[in-house]
Amino acid sequence: AQKITQTQPGMFVQEKEAVTLDCTYDTSDQSYGLFWYKQPSSGEMIFLIYQGSYDEQNATEGRYSLNFQKARKSANLVISASQLGDSAMYFCAMREGQWLTGGGNKLTFGTGTQLKVEL
Amino acid sequence: EPEVTQTPSHQVTQMGQEVILRCVPISNHLYFYWYRQILGQKVEFLVSFYNNEISEKSEIFDDQFSVERPDGSNFTLKIRSTKLEDSAMYFCASTEGPSGEKLFFGSGTQLSVL
Repeated sequence: AQKITQTQPGMFVQEKEAVTLDCTYDTSDQSYGLFWYKQPSSGEMIFLIYQGSYDEQNATEGRYSLNFQKARKSANLVISASQLGDSAMYFCAMREGQWLTGGGNKLTFGTGTQLKVEL
Repeated sequence: EPEVTQTPSHQVTQMGQEVILRCVPISNHLYFYWYRQILGQKVEFLVSFYNNEISEKSEIFDDQFSVERPDGSNFTLKIRSTKLEDSAMYFCASTEGPSGEKLFFGSGTQLSVL
């Protein structure tokens, strides 16, 4: 089974609208972390937001929020008030508990969602 | 904001040649990583490095690959004898601790093996 599943290969949203990018994950670890990254066409990987498995509140960073539903194993990214500059590939990633044994930040990435913001 | 710096941004090499990809992690970070992304595919973990040794490596990271921290600031990935399938974007990343909430990536080196 895939550890990270992003079911939306492509999404369109109107400027100033909100958009939700889906991410589901699969792990048997109790301690894990979930990340979202943005990859513009220039190729760099930009950190957006992080959610720890024990965090009770949903993470927020400016216009980004993470809708964390632990029982459903989903960690959807919500972008509010979309801007043209938000057009990019978005990756969901997970770090499982191996950091406890010294593994550090070994992230497993999903296949990504290409978001296009339109006027 | 401090950032991870990678050089060069693009590298073209002939199959069988050695390449060294360079990274300068964020200065107070102690944990370093290499990831790669083949065009159109997922980002994949290669190796993690702490305290001058490899903490973990993936199946991709075979004997052709090596990492080194030659001085207090640089972190390098060497591919000894490049193959066509090594063509990819290589990302360096760093964190302060093993469970860093913010894993910062560099802007990547696009490696093309001809």
